[in-house]
Amino acid sequence: EAGVAQSPRYKIIEKRQSVAFWCNPISGHATLYWYQQILGQGPKLLIQFQNNGVVDDSQLPKDRFSAERLKGVDSTLKIQPAKLEDSAVYLCASSPSWGVSPLYEQYFGPGTRLTVT
Amino acid sequence: KNQVEQSPQSLIILEGKNCTLQCNYTVSPFSNLRWYKQDTGRGPVSLTIMTFSENTKSNGRYTATLDADTKQSSLHITASQLSDSASYICVVSEANAGNMLTFGGGTRLMVKP
Repeated sequence: EAGVAQSPRYKIIEKRQSVAFWCNPISGHATLYWYQQILGQGPKLLIQFQNNGVVDDSQLPKDRFSAERLKGVDSTLKIQPAKLEDSAVYLCASSPSWGVSPLYEQYFGPGTRLTVT
Repeated sequence: KNQVEQSPQSLIILEGKNCTLQCNYTVSPFSNLRWYKQDTGRGPVSLTIMTFSENTKSNGRYTATLDADTKQSSLHITASQLSDSASYICVVSEANAGNMLTFGGGTRLMVKP
């Protein structure tokens, strides 16, 4: 079974530039998550999708961050414009479903390491 | 506010030695607690998941314990190997909140030869 795929793996941009990350979840997984992980900290949830609908985006800085999952499969996370404090690893995760069983496992991708200079 | 605190923040041990990582949480109502291993440059990978009724669970050389009364968990690693060098993250799920997870800051373990 293929895992969660993310690209690019690394990105370096200057502040005020824009950047986009892509995630392809495990086939058949209805729920997709984007996390931000600052160096030395645990991941922080940015947004959660169930199929192509948003379940929770309460911690997404909506003035600069946006995310979409148009066909309920792949997802993109965009930052526009980037700030220095956005430097972090952006992790995508997927799980079979949400709200049905709290024991559903989340499978994480390798992450995209963003450096804003 | 739901919080998960882990200790120590970092730990260095010699290969073959045992170690124990700690996790305290304030998440309520409690659903389940997970331990993840995160290798450098990789996403977290689940080691164990425990519900309210479970107080110990093993996965090879990894043994997790849970005391739901004191809201504490520990991860014990036996006979450590160089490949155990990673960050270990404690994650607690809140009941009645779907699969919403609260992550700890992690313990960075380095195993030296």
